[in-house]
Order: sequence, then structure tokens, then C-alpha cells
Amino acid sequence: KQEVTQIPAALSVPEGENLVLNCSFTDSAIYNLQWFRQDPGKGLTSLLLIQSSQREQTSGRLNASLDKSSGRSTLYIAASQPGDSATYLCAVDEVYNQGGKLIFGQGTELSVKP
Amino acid sequence: DTEVTQTPKHLVMGMTNKKSLKCEQHMGHRAMYWYKQKAKKPPELMFVYSYEKLSINESVPSRFSPECPNSSLLNLHLHALQPEDSALYLCASSLDPGTPWETQYFGPGTRLLVL
Repeated sequence: KQEVTQIPAALSVPEGENLVLNCSFTDSAIYNLQWFRQDPGKGLTSLLLIQSSQREQTSGRLNASLDKSSGRSTLYIAASQPGDSATYLCAVDEVYNQGGKLIFGQGTELSVKP
Repeated sequence: DTEVTQTPKHLVMGMTNKKSLKCEQHMGHRAMYWYKQKAKKPPELMFVYSYEKLSINESVPSRFSPECPNSSLLNLHLHALQPEDSALYLCASSLDPGTPWETQYFGPGTRLLVL
């Protein structure tokens, strides 16, 4: 059974710091790995999607990498800002389930202090 | 337009009530999803509709009844719920399940409280 783990569970940093969020998964049979952002009480916003054949994706100050063989992904946030404060969730889309069944990690709650 | 809308935003219901949640998208997506999210937990998949047919039911109790009247609309009918069903209910859509380069677009959710 696929398990997705995120470390750390919570992170507090001063504004301007570069930071790394970690995600690991136990079964490498995935279509893709996705990173989402969720603000309190809101829906999820897709940040980056990395297909299983890709190694990384970039969008603005965000960079996500995928090492499928080791079951790991990292989300790098450069020059963090208070507006980045949110919960960050990673999710894998497994090949066994006709696609579309995202399995989420528990999330990392990020707080960026001004 | 990359928006998924959900109504109502908030819902309070008693255990004997019948209510429905509504989700709509006009992106031409053919897959739609219902998730349940408890506080401080990740979303958990409940149902997947693919081309208006139920393709995944994650062993959800029968007091939750999904319906997909057309490719743009997804409903979740609620009946005889329990207080532990109180949660944020999220709807999502994607172009097609199993398309590895496509993400899911989430609505803002319906906050449900069962008394």
C-alpha cells in the first residue's frame, strides 16, 4: 500500500530564507507527483506537477525535484515571503488505480515571519 | 476559466436532514472528484466520476450518494449523517483521469457541520 510522508510537519522561518520541503513515497509505480498549496479553510491550489519520467519542474521561486528510484521529492522555495505561509501537500497519482486517485502526505505547515 | 465552484460554502444539518452539495466546472473536464478533509488532515478521496460514470468509490458509507447529471455538474447527496461526518468537502476536476501531465483543479470546498 502506497504511503506518502512529509517532513517536517511544521516549519517557521524568517522572511527571505530559502527552504526545502521533503516528501517520500513507498511505491515508485506512479504517473506523477504533485505539490499543492492550501490556505486555511480553503481548497487546494496546484503548484507543480512532475511526471514520472521527469526529474524536476520550476515555476517562479518554486522548484520541485523527483527521484523516483529512491521515492523522494523536494520542493525548494527561494527567498520566502509572508504570503508563502500555508500548508504544502505532496500527492502521488498511482498507476494501479486507473489514474486520478491522489494519495496525499500529511502536509507541511509553513509560517514565514516578516 | 480554470475555476471549480462549490455551493453552499457552509452547511449545518441535523442527523435526520437530507441535503445536497453541488460542484460545477466549465473547463471541459471529463473527470470529477469528491474528497473529504478533516481538520489538520490531508484530503481523502471519496468518489471519482469519469465521463459521467462512477469509476472509483472508496468504500464510502451509503449515507453519501454521488450523482453526475452531466459532464459539468457533480452533486453529493447527504442523508442521515453522523457528527463525525463534519468536515470540509472538496470537489475537483481534471481533463481525464490517468493523463499524467494533467493536474486536478480544486474548488473552495463546503464546510459541513452535522449536529
